[in-house]
This record gives sequence, C-alpha cells and structure tokens, in this order.
Amino acid sequence: DTGVSQDPRHKITKRGQNVTFRCDPISEHNRLYWYRQTLGQGPEFLTYFQNEAQLEKSRLLSDRFSAERPKGSFSTLEIQRTEQGDSAMYLCASSFGASGRSPYNEQFFGPGTRLTVL
Amino acid sequence: GQNIDQPTEMTATEGAIVQINCTYQTSGFNGLFWYQQHAGEAPTFLSYNVLDGLEEKGRFSSFLSRSKGYSYLLLKELQMKDSASYLCAAGVHNNDMRFGAGTRLTVKP
Repeated sequence: DTGVSQDPRHKITKRGQNVTFRCDPISEHNRLYWYRQTLGQGPEFLTYFQNEAQLEKSRLLSDRFSAERPKGSFSTLEIQRTEQGDSAMYLCASSFGASGRSPYNEQFFGPGTRLTVL
Repeated sequence: GQNIDQPTEMTATEGAIVQINCTYQTSGFNGLFWYQQHAGEAPTFLSYNVLDGLEEKGRFSSFLSRSKGYSYLLLKELQMKDSASYLCAAGVHNNDMRFGAGTRLTVKP
C-alpha cells in the first residue's frame, strides 16, 4: 500500500472559481478526514466519513464547501466561489477507526493540496 | 469547546533534551496524540497516551496527566533532523482529534 494520496498537490485559482480536490485513503481504512491548515497553525478539522457516511462537519465548513465519499473509498472536497481566505493546505487523513487493528485510531495523513486563491 | 495550548516556538542544542508542553480542555476526551510535521510535509504520528503516566519510545517519550489536562513530549539526544513542528492533539468523542497550533522546534549545532 502506498499510503494516502491527494490530487492535485498544488492548485492556483482565481477568486470566484470552483475547485475540487481528491483524496485516496489507505485501502483498508474505513474512516476519512479532511483538515485545513494555514501557516503556523495546526490542522483544523473540517469533516469526516465513516465508509460513505459523512458523520460530522465542522462549523468552519461553510455552505460553499461540500465533501463526498460516494463508494466509501476515495473522497472529494469541493469549494465553490473560492475566496482569498480559502488559501491553505487541505489535508486528508484516513484510519481504521477504533478497532482491534488500531485501538487508538491513528490517522495517516496524505501530502496535502496547497490551494492559492488569487 | 475545545482548547489546546502549546508554546509557539522552542530552540534547543543538538544532543540536548527538550520538553514540549501541552495543556488541553476538551469535552469527550479520549487520549492525547503527538504528531511531528516537517515544513511542507504531512504530519506523522509519534505517540498516543490515554492513561496517566509516561510512554517511552526510543528517543521520544510522552507523558499524560488527565486530572491536570496536561501532556508533554520529551525528546532526548536531539538531532538536527528533529527540527520540525510538534503538534499536540486531543482525541475527542469517538476517537477523532483536535489539534493545537503546534510548537516549532529549532535544533542548533
């Protein structure tokens, strides 16, 4: 297994455009998380899925943000009508969840997608 | 609400020992994680504590006091490659995490 992958690694867009990011988790993991990280800050939780169900969304996630995980495997995060304040690193992570394989739900992070909104 | 505090920056000398502290106030606390993040890279898991006490793993150790809402990460025999951000994260509810802002450690020769 090659770990969590994200695509694209970098995205530059103009304000008002829509962007979509993809995350491919580790294949056996049932949980998938999206975080946003700005310079000098820790990752901020956005949302997570258990299989295909979106179980929690942060209040940070405005109506312009939507995430899907249609078949319980890869996930997409879409930002509509991007704003300059959306510029950040978007991190995806996956885990087994609390289970016999990983009793403390260690999350494995992907390399991130760096978004720049001009 | 969730509140996780750690120092913004620390500096230490190669070969020395450094302790990075973290205090937390969270609801549904379910353990304390430490992650390492090098500049421009993804966070990588270092340790997890759910019971009070010290967990040792090679040069890195992590301590937790649940009653005090306090944890620390201890790094021994510092190496230049240990220069990175160290993220404290509280496990909450059903094993999800909330991160602090991170402590940027600089190791000098």
